[in-house]
Amino acid sequence: NAGVTQTPKFQVLKTGQSMTLQCAQDMNHNSMYWYRQDPGMGLRLIYYSASEGTTDKGEVPNGYNVSRLNKREFSLRLESAAPSQTSVYFCASRVGQAPNTEAFFGQGTRLTVV
Amino acid sequence: DQQVKQNSPSLSVQEGRISILNCDYTNSMFDYFLWYKKYPAEGPTFLISISSIKDKNEDGRFTVFLNKSAKHLSLHIVPSQPGDSAVYFCAAAASLTDYKLSFGAGTTVTVRA
Repeated sequence: NAGVTQTPKFQVLKTGQSMTLQCAQDMNHNSMYWYRQDPGMGLRLIYYSASEGTTDKGEVPNGYNVSRLNKREFSLRLESAAPSQTSVYFCASRVGQAPNTEAFFGQGTRLTVV
Repeated sequence: DQQVKQNSPSLSVQEGRISILNCDYTNSMFDYFLWYKKYPAEGPTFLISISSIKDKNEDGRFTVFLNKSAKHLSLHIVPSQPGDSAVYFCAAAASLTDYKLSFGAGTTVTVRA
């Protein structure tokens, strides 16, 4: 059981380049999330998808777009990368709106924008 | 504005002693709280949780305490082991109103041999 799989694991971009971070889960979860982790800031929510076909902004959505391609996959796109987007990105999934459910995380994508 | 706060960025404890990690929250709608553990170059993994209808939940060496009136929770690790050295994140959710987990900034725990 793979859980949550993110690709790529590492990426270096030049300012202004675009890229898409991929995420897939095989746990039949309804909700999926993208977080970024920065030193001293913890995990901040970028976008989330409560269920297939819906997406909503989190705390720090500027500069990002997302697509919930199907129930399994939730991608994060940077249209024009900026150095401020240098971070570690985590995708997570959760069963959905139910009490006492935890989120499962992927291993992360370390992105550097130069 | 961060709704979940971990005010101690780091904690050093001797092997075998108790580790106490603290977390405060501001959103009174939060009713489900979780602790995650994260090793370097890995994603966070779920450790333990507590619902707002309880004030304590125990799982082996890990116990979480919730004080709703103070909007405060803590994680106790007894006894601490070298493998517990990691970053610990506190998270909270308003499970009946939205789907988001809000995280604190994390506390780095170092267990000394």
